[in-house]
Amino acid sequence: DQQVKQNSPSLSVQEGRISILNCDYTNSMFDYFLWYKKYPAEGPTFLISISSIKDKNEDGRFTVFLNKSAKHLSLHIVPSQPGDSAVYFCAASYTGTASKLTFGTGTRLQVTL
Amino acid sequence: EPEVTQTPSHQVTQMGQEVILRCVPISNHLYFYWYRQILGQKVEFLVSFYNNEISEKSEIFDDQFSVERPDGSNFTLKIRSTKLEDSAMYFCASSARGLGVAYEQYFGPGTRLTVT
Repeated sequence: DQQVKQNSPSLSVQEGRISILNCDYTNSMFDYFLWYKKYPAEGPTFLISISSIKDKNEDGRFTVFLNKSAKHLSLHIVPSQPGDSAVYFCAASYTGTASKLTFGTGTRLQVTL
Repeated sequence: EPEVTQTPSHQVTQMGQEVILRCVPISNHLYFYWYRQILGQKVEFLVSFYNNEISEKSEIFDDQFSVERPDGSNFTLKIRSTKLEDSAMYFCASSARGLGVAYEQYFGPGTRLTVT
């Protein structure tokens, strides 16, 4: 069941540059998308979300873009910092289902000095 | 800042034993969830809970699993007879809204369950 896919298992970016993490989904019923950050031995931490009625949402250094026709979303982190090094999960849900989250497999981001 | 807490952080049990994993959701949240992550795999939904009843459950959540909100603060996941394949990290989450409205969920730090 690969309804939410993150095709890049890892990404390395220099400090100060932009990190772009990608996510694709197949279920057209999804109407709410979230990004979570996870450190080892901790639970996922909510970062940012976007509803399907928008195509962009920004919160500080984090921006999420949604392309509904392509069933694709991306998370931009600008500028990247060493503390951003973690695993990033894309998740999706749709109204009417008690909002269970369907997660992608995650992308490990390494921000180097 | 309010947070979801979970106990214990690590539970080791023998196959066939019952385990209870405990969670204290964020106090004004009304929707509660359990997820699990088997090592190297994605985070998977188990069950959602609202108004003292299960809202939705996955095919993983079979008769060996049950959830309960025994009082106004705790939310528990019970596995009646553990199997080796139940070994995973179990995450509790809560949300201020949920049924019919998608909303962000806040996760606890997890309980690592090891079944030997």
